[in-house]
Amino acid sequence: GQQVMQIPQYQHVQEGEDFTTYCNSSTTLSNIQWYKQRPGGHPVFLIQLVKSGEVKKQKRLTFQFGEAKKNSSLHITATQTTDVGTYFCAGVERGGADGLTFGKGTHLIIQP
Amino acid sequence: DGGITQSPKYLFRKEGQNVTLSCEQNLNHDAMYWYRQDPGQGLRLIYYSQIVNDFQKGDIAEGYSVSREKKESFPLTVTSAQKNPTAFYLCASSLDRASSYEQYFGPGTRLTVT
Repeated sequence: GQQVMQIPQYQHVQEGEDFTTYCNSSTTLSNIQWYKQRPGGHPVFLIQLVKSGEVKKQKRLTFQFGEAKKNSSLHITATQTTDVGTYFCAGVERGGADGLTFGKGTHLIIQP
Repeated sequence: DGGITQSPKYLFRKEGQNVTLSCEQNLNHDAMYWYRQDPGQGLRLIYYSQIVNDFQKGDIAEGYSVSREKKESFPLTVTSAQKNPTAFYLCASSLDRASSYEQYFGPGTRLTVT
């Protein structure tokens, strides 16, 4: 079955540093979604990428979808304490009927 | 105010007891899901339902059961057959499962079995 892998599992940064998490799928995706889960909270949808090579920005967050539609990344510029949490990618396999497959997430820890 | 509600937020049970977790949505979504999350882990799919009176096993369905008698409701029963039931349980819904609609999550129920 489809597998979605995320790295790193944990990332410690100083406040103000940049942060990137990477997502890789074992199969070609039709689209990929990103979610954020604050500590003690529930996942909240951030964005969906559909097109090959697509880049989308939300303020300090930049999301990319690979040309082959098998990988994606989330980059945060100048992290703030409000960015703390776990970032999940979730992919929909192209032509598949299995719905979303979530990665294990990257835990972002920010030191002030 | 639309959304997904889960109750209770915290639940404590003795080993050997069945327990049912509630999930209700008023988003008029067809698809609903149950996930399990263990500390530091991702989301693992337990069961999903695409339509009323229909549901399918996810990746870790053993020891769990569900029902979908109403569009708005998708309760999960954690049975005594589930070997490690202590976890954070998240319910979610989306417009449709076959398409790539975003999932909306409830606040979760933290189940502790001793």
